[in-house]
Amino acid sequence: EIVMTQSPALLSVSPGERATLSCRASQSVGSNLAWYQQKPGQAPRLLIYGASTRATGIPVRFSGSGSDTEFTLTISSLQSEDFAIYYCQQYIIWPPYTFGQGTKLEIK
Amino acid sequence: EEQLVESGGGLVKPGGSLRLSCEASGFRFIMFSMNWIRQAPGKGLEWVSSITSTSTYIHYADSVKGRFTISRDNAKNTVYLQMNSLRVEDTGVYYCVRDAVGIPPPLWFGPWGQGTPVTVSS
Repeated sequence: EIVMTQSPALLSVSPGERATLSCRASQSVGSNLAWYQQKPGQAPRLLIYGASTRATGIPVRFSGSGSDTEFTLTISSLQSEDFAIYYCQQYIIWPPYTFGQGTKLEIK
Repeated sequence: EEQLVESGGGLVKPGGSLRLSCEASGFRFIMFSMNWIRQAPGKGLEWVSSITSTSTYIHYADSVKGRFTISRDNAKNTVYLQMNSLRVEDTGVYYCVRDAVGIPPPLWFGPWGQGTPVTVSS
């Protein structure tokens, strides 16, 4: 099973600033990585797949990068609606599909 | 609009059973693999089970293998999760999730239902 580790667990950033979230895989996943956003009381929604491709309707301020074992989700200029929990997920070796434990992005 | 609506959650005693249902609309259900993903209170996401469009391939997490059964009825646009021998650690919100792409196997996930809560407690 591939273990996904996200850092930091909690990130405090001011609106309008850039946020950088990290995800590390215990072995190479190539570009087979997705990112999800979950707001309180809501289901997660897909942001990024293929490590860097934005899903339909996702604003351009969200960008994904990385490959193999190191990945980054960058939000270029934080809006109030971006404060949420973010999860990464690998889909190269399954079952099981595995998620990181999440990064909570809070307002500074 | 693509929509997934779960039902069937509730409070059950350890060792009991529940059957979750998820009715899909707004897309060609038969074209997509379907999944159940759960979230324990205050915790992260855990994939539970997947079923391909014609039920040819079915997979389970080790934590539920032998206790949970996924199935689907393409005529009713519905996927099910039969949960037996429930444990306290099965408590959480269960999300019905569609495969994003429609070409098997499922890879990344979206859209998601709103979730149905399951509480296993004596």
